[in-house]
Amino acid sequence: NAGVTQTPKFQVLKTGQSMTLQCAQDMNHEYMSWYRQDPGMGLRLIHYSVGAGITDQGEVPNGYNVSRSTTEDFPLRLLSAAPSQTSVYFCASSYFDRAYGYTFGSGTRLTVV
Amino acid sequence: KQEVTQIPAALSVPEGENLVLNCSFTDSAIYNLQWFRQDPGKGLTSLLLIQSSQREQTSGRLNASLDKSSGRSTLYIAASQPGDSATYLCAVRQGYGQNFVFGPGTRLSVLP
Repeated sequence: NAGVTQTPKFQVLKTGQSMTLQCAQDMNHEYMSWYRQDPGMGLRLIHYSVGAGITDQGEVPNGYNVSRSTTEDFPLRLLSAAPSQTSVYFCASSYFDRAYGYTFGSGTRLTVV
Repeated sequence: KQEVTQIPAALSVPEGENLVLNCSFTDSAIYNLQWFRQDPGKGLTSLLLIQSSQREQTSGRLNASLDKSSGRSTLYIAASQPGDSATYLCAVRQGYGQNFVFGPGTRLSVLP
């Protein structure tokens, strides 16, 4: 069982470039989400999905797009990278049932120069 | 809007001490609560999950309790070790299909 897989682990972008952070889970979780973690700011929710074809915005969605065409995959797209998007990005997934919590990916460390 | 706080923000203890980390939430109508550990530069590892109908969960030297009526959870670490040094985060979920809301974390240092 691979759990939640994020790629790449590290990335350096130039301002204005676009890229996609990948997230895949093999546990058939209904719920998937993206967070960013910045020093002193804690974990902030960017976008989330409650099933294939359904996405919604979190606390800090500006500058990011998501889609969920399959249960397994939930990519995060940076449309035009800005230095303010330098952060560590985590993908998390879970079942809806109250007996289950989040499983996190190992994160992507993104630097925008 | 649910808000989660954690006290203290940082804690330094000598090896062998028993310690308690606190998590408070403003809306007591929660679905479940999860405690995580995060090592520097690493991802989040789940430690314990407590469903809304439960009062506590235990795993090894860790015990997490939940008091919904007072909006509190505690994580008890027995006989602390230097390897326990990390940031501990709690998160609460308020309903089916909803997001977890995270606290800011408690940074723990266990000194040899």
